[in-house]
Amino acid sequence: EVELVESGGGLVQSGGSLKLSCAASGFTVSTNYMSWVRQAPGKGLEWVSIIYSGGTTFYSDSVKGRFTISRLNSKNTVYLQMTSLRAEDTAIYYCARDRGYDLYAFDIWGRGTLVTVSS
Amino acid sequence: EIVLTQSPGTLSLSPGERATLSCRASQSVSSYYLAWYQQRPGQAPRLLIYGASSRATGIPDRFSGSGSGTDFTLTISGLEPEDFAVYYCQHYGGSPPVTFGPGTKVDI
Repeated sequence: EVELVESGGGLVQSGGSLKLSCAASGFTVSTNYMSWVRQAPGKGLEWVSIIYSGGTTFYSDSVKGRFTISRLNSKNTVYLQMTSLRAEDTAIYYCARDRGYDLYAFDIWGRGTLVTVSS
Repeated sequence: EIVLTQSPGTLSLSPGERATLSCRASQSVSSYYLAWYQQRPGQAPRLLIYGASSRATGIPDRFSGSGSGTDFTLTISGLEPEDFAVYYCQHYGGSPPVTFGPGTKVDI
């Protein structure tokens, strides 16, 4: 079964750091594009970051310089290292398989992990 | 940057009725890069439509997508109770690589 499971969310103070994990099963993250998408409480979806199969990464302007996406092929897991966290980073963070090479859409989503940044 | 606008913000309908949701892009986009998602309360988004009109795996045929250029439509013919949710359109490509519309809530 194809599945993504996020973990690592929690309560952190403003200025702090947190590292999210996204464990994949049923497919290989290193041969796919993988993205993180977040959703602030009661708000819409916001794309955060992507890591391409070749390893190139991109970030939204709102997190550039503070967040780092990476992957560990041996664990079939994608990560999002978040530093200098702000109250506006409070959101559910979803990991998604990014079919930007054929469907140009996200076809598999995890259930998400909640990050709360207290000021 | 492509900006997506969705209308209406909320659509109040009854089971069995037809829902028509609109997504407008700030500039002409290729239909290849336009997708629709459904998000039920407390759940992750689910891909419904990609390439403006192709249904994703396992999506019932009451969901259909159409449109081109700047105007795209998601139609749900015959609402089922589980269809009451928020629907987002998404454009893939450009900078940033992905943008979402603000969503349309379909409620009873």
